[in-house]
Amino acid sequence: QSALTQPASVSGSPGQSITISCTGTSSDVGSYNLVSWYQQHPGKAPKLMIYEGSKRPSGVSNRFSGSKSGNTASLTISGLQAEDEADYYCCSYAGSSTMVFGGGTKLTVL
Amino acid sequence: QVTLKESGPVLVKPTETLTLTCTVSGFSLSNARMGVSWIRQPPGKALEWLAHIFSNDEKSYSTSLKSRLTISKDTSKSQVVLTMTNMDPVDTATYYCARISFSSITFDPWGQGTLVTVSS
Repeated sequence: QSALTQPASVSGSPGQSITISCTGTSSDVGSYNLVSWYQQHPGKAPKLMIYEGSKRPSGVSNRFSGSKSGNTASLTISGLQAEDEADYYCCSYAGSSTMVFGGGTKLTVL
Repeated sequence: QVTLKESGPVLVKPTETLTLTCTVSGFSLSNARMGVSWIRQPPGKALEWLAHIFSNDEKSYSTSLKSRLTISKDTSKSQVVLTMTNMDPVDTATYYCARISFSSITFDPWGQGTLVTVSS
């Protein structure tokens, strides 16, 4: 269960779009369409933003979208807003009823 | 409204056993499609999945911590308990419980978390 690989940081200006990658292996991201993304503001609990790779829970802005290609999943945030500044984590099912998180990405809105 | 709340000691000594309780409301631990997971986050570091338990008592543990973890539930009390043995300073972290969906394998919602410090 090695952690999924995410960039340590990304940044963008208000109104722009950014993409955060999440690279795993053929044993986790590549084998299952069960990648989820979580947003975490400082001092707060994580919040589910995307599940099953590309589905948005009720109440999550449609500016957030997810996709997957091979062993890499991606989270795209369009129309960047100041409130999007947070840490983002991906998570994948890794088989045998186990889960693995990514190392997290800090998003800075310039 | 679904809520989860963690409780337990804020400070434990090295080698001691940590016992954390997650009390849930707004859903039943007997719900066939739901369960509860424990996830931790050391200060300034990433999230780490620890364990989960489903209504049929199916349990799963992190491979790296399996020998130290035990998860159980008391459906009548709406509580899930996690024990971690042989605590070490590197286990200092905020410990979260979260509801997990059996089908989509997602954590939603999360409890507020509880910071546990391991120090003598």
